[in-house]
Amino acid sequence: GENVEQHPSTLSVQEGDSAVIKCTYSDSASNYFPWYKQELGKGPQLIIDIRSNVGEKKDQRIAVTLNKTAKHFSLHITETQPEDSAVYFCAAVDFNKFYFGSGTKLNVKP
Amino acid sequence: SAVISQKPSRDICQRGTSLTIQCQVDSQVTMMFWYRQQPGQSLTLIATANQGSEATYESGFVIDKFPISRPNLTFSTLTVSNMSPEDSSIYLCSVDDYDGYTFGSGTRLTVV
Repeated sequence: GENVEQHPSTLSVQEGDSAVIKCTYSDSASNYFPWYKQELGKGPQLIIDIRSNVGEKKDQRIAVTLNKTAKHFSLHITETQPEDSAVYFCAAVDFNKFYFGSGTKLNVKP
Repeated sequence: SAVISQKPSRDICQRGTSLTIQCQVDSQVTMMFWYRQQPGQSLTLIATANQGSEATYESGFVIDKFPISRPNLTFSTLTVSNMSPEDSSIYLCSVDDYDGYTFGSGTRLTVV
């Protein structure tokens, strides 16, 4: 089955700096790669996603890149703000089956 | 994207009892999913619930422990049966809508 690894497990950055979270996956059949933000006491919220026919996608301060050959994808957050502090999960999806990474706790220091 | 209402948001239950969690969606969706998130952990799929058929359970999860109903295209329930402290987790439903996969806000269950 699919195996998704996510790094780092914790990330601390200064407000205004960039944050990068990386995920690798093992199953080449996975074709959809969403990223979720989970704040304390809340369910995961989709923040950006990318499909396997696209190499990069950007939405304001958030971008995701996908390298299908190397089987890795990354989340980039620029100009981080304290409100970005949360746990971020990546996932690789194959036909509605989600395989989540272990999560990254991002702390943005004011 | 779909809006999901999940109830209850939290509960504290005695061991040996059962709790039914409800998931209501504001639009018709084909597939609904139930996840468990143990404290400080990632999400693990329990089962996929399709309307009109039995739920499909993932390895390690069985129907007797986690019975699921899916009476129509906007509603599903997950029951956690004969609870033990190890069942203390956040339980989340998720749907596949045209905008991607949306999660409910979760049910935080504590078993004492």
